[in-house]
Amino acid sequence: NAGVTQTPKFQVLKTGQSMTLQCAQDMNHEYMSWYRQDPGMGLRLIHYSVGAGITDQGEVPNGYNVSRSTTEDFPLRLLSAAPSQTSVYFCASSRQRNTGELFFGEGSRLTVL
Amino acid sequence: AQSVAQPEDQVNVAEGNPLTVKCTYSVSGNPYLFWYVQYPNRGLQFLLKYITGDNLVKGSYGFEAEFNKSQTSFHLKKPSALVSDSALYFCAVRDIRGSTLGRLYFGRGTQLTVWP
Repeated sequence: NAGVTQTPKFQVLKTGQSMTLQCAQDMNHEYMSWYRQDPGMGLRLIHYSVGAGITDQGEVPNGYNVSRSTTEDFPLRLLSAAPSQTSVYFCASSRQRNTGELFFGEGSRLTVL
Repeated sequence: AQSVAQPEDQVNVAEGNPLTVKCTYSVSGNPYLFWYVQYPNRGLQFLLKYITGDNLVKGSYGFEAEFNKSQTSFHLKKPSALVSDSALYFCAVRDIRGSTLGRLYFGRGTQLTVWP
């Protein structure tokens, strides 16, 4: 009964380093997305995907890349980490693109020094 | 563009009293509205949604929400609050048309504290 699994849960990076946040879901959901959560700002959409091979930008895509080679996996890549990317990152998926509720992972807390 | 507003950063209520967490929305077309709850250091959990039909929607943990089209509101309610309801609550609206179909837009969140 895994649902949405995110790794790592915690990560500390130095400015300029790159890394990948992993996200996997076992519910055969077509729609997957990445959000970042910052105090007082709610959740903001970074990138999303409506199926394998299809991705698109959200509200705050700069500095991040995604790919969707399989239905299950949707990794988020930070190309050159900056302190402004210090945040909590959530991956979420849903069965339907418009009406379905999102299922969230437990989050990945990233600190960029 | 779709958006939601949560006018209160914090709501405090005594255990056993009714609670309301407010949400207003701005959409073009029919709104698809959601409520989520986040406990400390956890991901968001789905509570309930309004897509169409009855204006009073019932959800998890005894919560309900009332869709009011004339006031463009979707307030979350519970008749009798529990200390365990203390958490961060998010209202959200989903894009249902065009190139941004499927995007979910969140409010800033309301911290609910229930005092024993």
